[in-house]
Amino acid sequence: GQQVMQIPQYQHVQEGEDFTTYCNSSTTLSNIQWYKQRPGGHPVFLIQLVKSGEVKKQKRLTFQFGEAKKNSSLHITATQTTDVGTYFCEGSGNTPLVFGKGTRLSVIA
Amino acid sequence: EPEVTQTPSHQVTQMGQEVILRCVPISNHLYFYWYRQILGQKVEFLVSFYNNEISEKSEIFDDQFSVERPDGSNFTLKIRSTKLEDSAMYFCASSEGYGQFGTQYFGPGTRLLVL
Repeated sequence: GQQVMQIPQYQHVQEGEDFTTYCNSSTTLSNIQWYKQRPGGHPVFLIQLVKSGEVKKQKRLTFQFGEAKKNSSLHITATQTTDVGTYFCEGSGNTPLVFGKGTRLSVIA
Repeated sequence: EPEVTQTPSHQVTQMGQEVILRCVPISNHLYFYWYRQILGQKVEFLVSFYNNEISEKSEIFDDQFSVERPDGSNFTLKIRSTKLEDSAMYFCASSEGYGQFGTQYFGPGTRLLVL
């Protein structure tokens, strides 16, 4: 079945440093969603990418969808303590929705 | 802003007992989902529901699980005979559409503990 791999599993950064998490699917995706989950909270939708090669920005967050629609990345510029949480990708393809394992981001002030 | 609500927030049950987790999706949404998240692990898709029937389900969603939309507002997940490994946070989500038209909004979750 479809698998979505996400790396790294953990990332510790100093406040102000950049952060990137990568999502790779074993199959071509129809679209990909990114979510943020704060400790003890529920996933909150961040963005959806649909088109091959698509790039979307939300303030300090930049999301990319690969040309082959099999990988995606989330990049945060100049992290802040409010960015702390786990970032999940979720891929939609020919099989039921699959989440990546998430990247847990810690930001040290 | 409309939101998905879930009840109860916490549920403790004995192994073998039946539990029903309740969700009220956002009112104009047509697609409903259940996910679970075992402590410290990733979110896992269980089932999606549209037009009063299951549209997709994962391998996790076996015969012990069932979903229902008993009225126009509630969406329930029933676990017939709970097992220890069913202990997890269960999230309900809803969306207006599916795929590229389907931004999912998650509820706060129900934490289920099976003893």
